[in-house]
Amino acid sequence: QVQLVQSGAEVKKPGSSVKVSCKPSGGTLSSYAISWVRQAPGQGLEWMGAIIPIFGTENYAQKFQGRVTITADESTTTGYMELSSLRSDDTAVYYCAGGWGGGAFDIWGQGTMVTVSA
Amino acid sequence: EIVLTQSPGTLSLSPGERATLSCRASQSVTSSYLAWFQQKPGQAPRLLIYGASSRATGIPDRFSGSGSGTDFTLTISRLEPEDFAVYYCQQYGRSPQTFGQGTKVEIK
Repeated sequence: QVQLVQSGAEVKKPGSSVKVSCKPSGGTLSSYAISWVRQAPGQGLEWMGAIIPIFGTENYAQKFQGRVTITADESTTTGYMELSSLRSDDTAVYYCAGGWGGGAFDIWGQGTMVTVSA
Repeated sequence: EIVLTQSPGTLSLSPGERATLSCRASQSVTSSYLAWFQQKPGQAPRLLIYGASSRATGIPDRFSGSGSGTDFTLTISRLEPEDFAVYYCQQYGRSPQTFGQGTKVEIK
């Protein structure tokens, strides 16, 4: 089974950007759609957007349009999520999640804590 | 966007009891693309149910999902100690994909 390994925790200043990676281990994500989901402290899950690496097509939640960019390296099928113009309320754990064939998220990364603080 | 409302917010039960969790959608969920996840503190969510009623790989058969259209249910037939956690429903049939706010199943 493919596993997802995310990059490490980040501390950022307000107004800056952060880029989180999501690398497959034990296989490739060529048949998966990769989504990014965040969870603020003590809160629920929030879908941010998704990409299908083999097609390079992205889809974003309107809330994040213009601030988030989701990409994938086609050769390694590593996924990336970049969030710009960071605010304190962007402090959250960011997860990548894979759904085979665009289906339900059956594989998840371990999460990356992003803290936005002056 | 499709809003998912889960109830109750918290369910207080004892091991061995039956848990019934509800997820109601503001619009019909496309082709029953409705999933349930379990999340424990400090862990990533784990897929339990997809397609409203299909168990994911390795999920015990005490977990079952049902429903269609706008009303969905997750049932845990007999709670085991490891089942006390937060449960989320999610619709993945229409963009933006959305999650319910979660139901916490706690030990009574």
